[in-house]
Formats: sequence, C-alpha cells, structure tokens
Amino acid sequence: NAGVTQTPKFQVLKTGQSMTLQCAQDMNHEYMSWYRQDPGMGLRLIHYSVGAGITDQGEVPNGYNVSRSTTEDFPLRLLSAAPSQTSVYFCASNSGGIGQPQHFGDGTRLSIL
Amino acid sequence: EDQVTQSPEALRLQEGESSSLNCSYTVSGLRGLFWYRQDPGKGPEFLFTLYSAGEEKEKERLKATLTKKESFLHITAPKPEDSATYLCAVQATGGSYIPTFGRGTSLIVHP
Repeated sequence: NAGVTQTPKFQVLKTGQSMTLQCAQDMNHEYMSWYRQDPGMGLRLIHYSVGAGITDQGEVPNGYNVSRSTTEDFPLRLLSAAPSQTSVYFCASNSGGIGQPQHFGDGTRLSIL
Repeated sequence: EDQVTQSPEALRLQEGESSSLNCSYTVSGLRGLFWYRQDPGKGPEFLFTLYSAGEEKEKERLKATLTKKESFLHITAPKPEDSATYLCAVQATGGSYIPTFGRGTSLIVHP
C-alpha cells in the first residue's frame, strides 16, 4: 500500500521558472492538502481540496495554483518561481471524517536560485 | 482563528530522563487533537487522536493527555530512537476537516 506519493523528491529551479509538484494517493481519500514547511514556521497550509473539482485556499496560497481533476491526484503548480518559495513541500490526504488524521507523503525539497 | 502553540521549541534529554511536551490550543470547538512524529527527511507520521477532555492514549513510551485548553505528550524513560520532531494539530468544528498545526517540538535524546 503506497499511501501518499510525492514526486520529485528534490528539485532546483531558477527564479522565474515554472514547475509542477506531483501528489498521488491510493486510499480513496476525499480531502487532499499541500503544506510548506520552513525552519521555525511549522506546517503552513497552501491549498486544499475536499473532492474532485473543488479546491480552496489555505494560509499561504500566493504564487501557487492547484487543480483536482481526479480523486487520486492533486498537483501543485508554481507559475513563476521565487527564492521565497524555497521550502520543503508536503502533500497530505485524509478521509474527511471527525478525528481522521492527515496521511503525509515524504516531501519535495525545492530550492529556487 | 484557530491557534496551536507548542512548547518548548527544543528539548534535550538523557536516555531514561522522562519529560513532557506541551500543546496549548484555542479553537471555537474541538473535533479532535492530533499528535504526529516527524523524522528528518520524512513526512509527519500519525501517533494519536484525542477527542475530549480527560482522554488519554498510550503507545510504547508515549502517553498523550487532553484538557479543555491543552494537551501533553509524556515521554517515559526515552531512548535515542525517540529523537524526532513532535507536532500537534487541532481539527476545529465548522468548516473543513483540515487541521491546524503547531510549530513542533524538536526532541533529542542522548545515550
């Protein structure tokens, strides 16, 4: 059982480049989320989705786009990368019930030069 | 606005030296409080969900407790392999089921 799979694990970009971070889950979870984790800042929510075709903004959405065309996949797009977006990005999923925990992938380490 | 504050930010213990991590929270209503463990280079791993004041849950050397304002993660006789960052999160009533996370406590246990 793979759980939540994120690709790539590492990426280096130049300022202004675009890229897509991939996230897939095989648990048939309705809820999927993207977080960024920076030293001393904890996990901050970027965008989330409560089901296919439905997305919403989290705490730090600027500079990021998402879409949810299937239950399994929830890609995160950086349209024009900036050094401030250097971070570790985590994707998570949960079933949406009371007390149901987030299941996390192992992250993508992204550096913007 | 939901708030989660964890203390201390960092904790160093000797092997066998018991201690507690604190998670204080402010929410309009609580659906659940979560504890996670995060190892370097990995995603957070779920440990416990607590639902109501007075509830306790245990796993090996870890015991989580909950009051109306805070939760404690007690670590009894820790071992070096307990070294990790421990994250607390709350799922509030109303809105989505997405939890709000604290900034975590980095625990190092020296042999």
